[in-house]
Amino acid sequence: GAGVSQSPSNKVTEKGKDVELRCDPISGHTALYWYRQSLGQGLEFLIYFQGNSAPDKSGLPSDRFSAERTGGSVSTLTIQRTQQEDSAVYLCASSYDGPYEQYFGPGTRLTVT
Amino acid sequence: DAKTTQPPSMDCAEGRAANLPCNHSTISGNEYVYWYRQIHSQGPQYIIHGLKNNETNEMASLIITEDRKSSTLILPHATLRDTAVYYCIVRVRAGGTSYGKLTFGQGTILTVHP
Repeated sequence: GAGVSQSPSNKVTEKGKDVELRCDPISGHTALYWYRQSLGQGLEFLIYFQGNSAPDKSGLPSDRFSAERTGGSVSTLTIQRTQQEDSAVYLCASSYDGPYEQYFGPGTRLTVT
Repeated sequence: DAKTTQPPSMDCAEGRAANLPCNHSTISGNEYVYWYRQIHSQGPQYIIHGLKNNETNEMASLIITEDRKSSTLILPHATLRDTAVYYCIVRVRAGGTSYGKLTFGQGTILTVHP
């Protein structure tokens, strides 16, 4: 079946602009996660949605970052007033509820110039 | 979160078994051990996970010690395509039936050579 998809695959933006990154999870998965990976760095958790529960936003690095999940499916990660340090690959993953494996998308490579 | 310790790098000859160790001495009773790998420029790929019993699937085997303080991922016949960063992760229960985020460390860079 279809895996996790993300768009765009690449995004180049100017410092100070807002960007939106999209994630389409695997159908039926109730949990959705956002991570990011900066050049030469490990994978860093950003935010986690689980069903109708309040999202776990503990990984968001600043209030310029926000995310929403509409209808329990598609999610959008928004970065306002982008900075050069926001340049990274942003990865989305989804899973069933419980101790099940997370399936990752291919990521969106964001470059802030 | 329970912390894991992995060697930074390992080498393996093609066709031989690759045994990747992981220490997780502070693991709690309801925390699972997961293994993921990341091949260059791709998203992480799930390999296997377990709680206390040994597990095997089409990709690998996971051996967890009886005290659960360490585990070993075994790739039985490594190929060049298995060259990747391998992450051992202990996943904390978030509440109810939810297990929440994965906390990735630095992982082990496995290089499979001809």
